[in-house]
Amino acid sequence: EPEVTQTPSHQVTQMGQEVILRCVPISNHLYFYWYRQILGQKVEFLVSFYNNEISEKSEIFDDQFSVERPDGSNFTLKIRSTKLEDSAMYFCASSEFPSVERSPLAIYFGEGSWLTVV
Amino acid sequence: GENVEQHPSTLSVQEGDSAVIKCTYSDSASNYFPWYKQELGKRPQLIIDIRSNVGEKKDQRIAVTLNKTAKHFSLHITETQPEDSAVYFCAASPNQAGTALIFGKGTTLSVSS
Repeated sequence: EPEVTQTPSHQVTQMGQEVILRCVPISNHLYFYWYRQILGQKVEFLVSFYNNEISEKSEIFDDQFSVERPDGSNFTLKIRSTKLEDSAMYFCASSEFPSVERSPLAIYFGEGSWLTVV
Repeated sequence: GENVEQHPSTLSVQEGDSAVIKCTYSDSASNYFPWYKQELGKRPQLIIDIRSNVGEKKDQRIAVTLNKTAKHFSLHITETQPEDSAVYFCAASPNQAGTALIFGKGTTLSVSS
């Protein structure tokens, strides 16, 4: 079964440093997402991306965050100047283009990248 | 914006019993409601979803019901097994691709044998 893959699985970074989290969405999916989950809390939406543009973003996704699809397979989340409160699990996710036969919004998550800012 | 409330926060049942988790949502524009299961340290896994043109959906031991008038939906797990132990999250979103899933705070289900 195709899966969303993410790298790195765990990254420790100094406060103020830049971090890039990488994702390879499921190959026939066209919508890509980043969510985050602070330890013990709920999953929170950051941003969605389609056709090389941001579709929607949350209040969390401020100017320190950016997303990019640098090639035909990768989808990245960049966090500039990390803060202690950015420590969380970051999940990449993807979904298919809507079709009549299948649920248009079934979103599949990767295993996550655990970011620790010290 | 959308707000999803989930109850209970923890649920302990004996193996073989049923478990019910309930969620309410605030935005009447929401009409897609998935449920995710998350084991410790793992990804959220989609276990079942429902759209607002359907009142109930069942997949083996798992069922979801939706009351759009009351803006609540529920997950029902029958004949629970120890491997059902996990955190379960409900979510809601408008039925448009690319829009945010808004999650509830999760229910920790413990099934004891």
